[in-house]
Amino acid sequence: IAGITQAPTSQILAAGRRMTLRCTQDMRHNAMYWYRQDLGLGLRLIHYSNTAGTTGKGEVPDGYSVSRANTDDFPLTLASAVPSQTSVYFCASSAQPTGVNSPLHFGNGTRLTVT
Amino acid sequence: TQLLEQSPQFLSIQEGENLTVYCNSSSVFSSLQWYRQEPGEGPVLLVTVVTGGEVKKLKRLTFQFGDARKDSSLHITAAQPGDTGLYLCAGANSGYSTLTFGKGTMLLVSP
Repeated sequence: IAGITQAPTSQILAAGRRMTLRCTQDMRHNAMYWYRQDLGLGLRLIHYSNTAGTTGKGEVPDGYSVSRANTDDFPLTLASAVPSQTSVYFCASSAQPTGVNSPLHFGNGTRLTVT
Repeated sequence: TQLLEQSPQFLSIQEGENLTVYCNSSSVFSSLQWYRQEPGEGPVLLVTVVTGGEVKKLKRLTFQFGDARKDSSLHITAAQPGDTGLYLCAGANSGYSTLTFGKGTMLLVSP
């Protein structure tokens, strides 16, 4: 089934540890995104990529990094996790960057707890 | 900075009731998207409205885009428990490469 696969589905991580959240899409979409969702704060954009080889910062990029080596994969890395990074992380893709009215397709999220 | 305000934040109703949720902004958007998110899953697109004044229907759901393209509403007729979820609106603009999301309306429909 075409779509977005995120891994792991959930993770408990000790503070200070490094963690990479994986995201793969099979729709050949150009643009990909990482959001975090927190109660009362909604979905907030962390980083995005309009096409393979390019990335951009979103609303809350600090403490996170991304890479886009190819069309399909868009991993999100927490270099040194802190408790405030406890959240549900969603990867999404769109055929074109969303400024041109291209809707998002979301994965089912990774629930991360930093202790 | 573009902002989208959704109201109400939370709505709890009985099966069969009608309801309307709102999405408002002081900014103009080229289009507006509505998503529904169920527990443990990512948001799923319901509809995109593009033209000011546009009305789209999806079974019992009616979506309207304001004439000035600054606001939108979602009306649900005869709500069912399967309508339970978080409803999110998101605005798109040609000058921005990312969407602006509202914080959502959590709808609970009880049998």
